[in-house]
Amino acid sequence: DAMVIQNPRYQVTQFGKPVTLSCSQTLNHNVMYWYQQKSSQAPKLLFHYYDKDFNNEADTPDNFQSRRPNTSFCFLDIRSPGLGDAAMYLCATSNRHKNSNQPQHFGDGTRLSIL
Amino acid sequence: KNEVEQSPQNLTAQEGEFITINCSYSVGISALHWLQQHPGGGIVSLFMLSSGKKKHGRLIATINIQEKHSSLHITASHPRDSAVYICAGRLGGSEKLVFGKGTKLTVNP
Repeated sequence: DAMVIQNPRYQVTQFGKPVTLSCSQTLNHNVMYWYQQKSSQAPKLLFHYYDKDFNNEADTPDNFQSRRPNTSFCFLDIRSPGLGDAAMYLCATSNRHKNSNQPQHFGDGTRLSIL
Repeated sequence: KNEVEQSPQNLTAQEGEFITINCSYSVGISALHWLQQHPGGGIVSLFMLSSGKKKHGRLIATINIQEKHSSLHITASHPRDSAVYICAGRLGGSEKLVFGKGTKLTVNP
């Protein structure tokens, strides 16, 4: 049973053409994350939502934005993709409880190619 | 500096062998994830540990908090276990994971 679902699995866009990646979850988790993973590198956290509170990492480019319209869905918008934005984009969720560590659950990722 | 160090970087085994991947982490890490990633694929969360030992099927993960060290063991390894295994530490009081560089495991039939 897929619990963190990312669509599409593969996305091709043109240089400079806005693109949106989507993530949905059936876990009812209150935290959703977006990671960028380039070839042979570790995932890099772009931002996360805790409920509706948006938390941007300091080094996330302005080109990357996110929306979380409800608990289940989170979107990654890339305003003007450059060649350097070609990567695997991973969505993850977790359930934050006070003073407890909870695991992150990852989706299968969306591989983004830029032409 | 918050760091997670994994070893070995690459590991080749024969089917059936017992496998160990090691992870050391620095102060400030409150919990440790073990993750699996197949080539070109998404990430599967195997375990999250903050103390003790966990087992799931042929996989066992242990953590020694005093020594800041964790190990992932695979018993009776199989070619389908071939993947990159990543150790990731969660920073205390943060949502951020600090990732190790991964161990690429190849299990030959």
